[in-house]
Amino acid sequence: ILNVEQSPQSLHVQEGDSTNFTCSFPSSNFYALHWYRWETAKSPEALFVMTLNGDEKKKGRISATLNTKEGYSYLYIKGSQPEDSATYLCAFNTGNQFYFGTGTSLTVIP
Amino acid sequence: DAGVTQSPTHLIKTRGQQVTLRCSPKSGHDTVSWYQQALGQGPQFIFQYYEEEERQRGNFPDRFSGHQFPNYSSELNVNALLLGDSALYLCASSPRPGSPYEQYFGPGTRLTVT
Repeated sequence: ILNVEQSPQSLHVQEGDSTNFTCSFPSSNFYALHWYRWETAKSPEALFVMTLNGDEKKKGRISATLNTKEGYSYLYIKGSQPEDSATYLCAFNTGNQFYFGTGTSLTVIP
Repeated sequence: DAGVTQSPTHLIKTRGQQVTLRCSPKSGHDTVSWYQQALGQGPQFIFQYYEEEERQRGNFPDRFSGHQFPNYSSELNVNALLLGDSALYLCASSPRPGSPYEQYFGPGTRLTVT
């Protein structure tokens, strides 16, 4: 069983603050790293898929980086808004299976 | 374009019973994966179906079985339910197995075993 760890487990920030989370994964058997945004009572929504070491992806105020050699990915949110409140999941893809972390729960306080 | 749909939304069963959960993939997707998310955990991979066959399986007992139909929809069956089977069951579809392309998730079925 592969271990994918996310930190912090939860986070409360003020509206307008920038924040970041970490996803750690094994450096072997890497195929892709996925980030999902999951609001309560909704389906997880894909944010990014990254496949190459050094990848950087951006969607609006959210961006992500990938380091496959050391086994980590960062997700950044710039100028957090209340609508960013959600659980952010990362998933390590070996090409055969997805291994998910337990997520980072973000609450943005207006 | 309908996304991934799952039914039912919620389900309550008694220990020892059997349950069937259903999933319809996103249009154009032929691969369906099932995940179990227990409280406080990330989603755990149960199995994946492609071309009506189980292609990959996670660390789940044989009480968990599945099926994929010619229209790519899928069922997850759990026999002899245990209290520990209480969880959110997520279905995800993708264009083909093993690809780095995104998996699209349904909203899940919340199973409670009493």
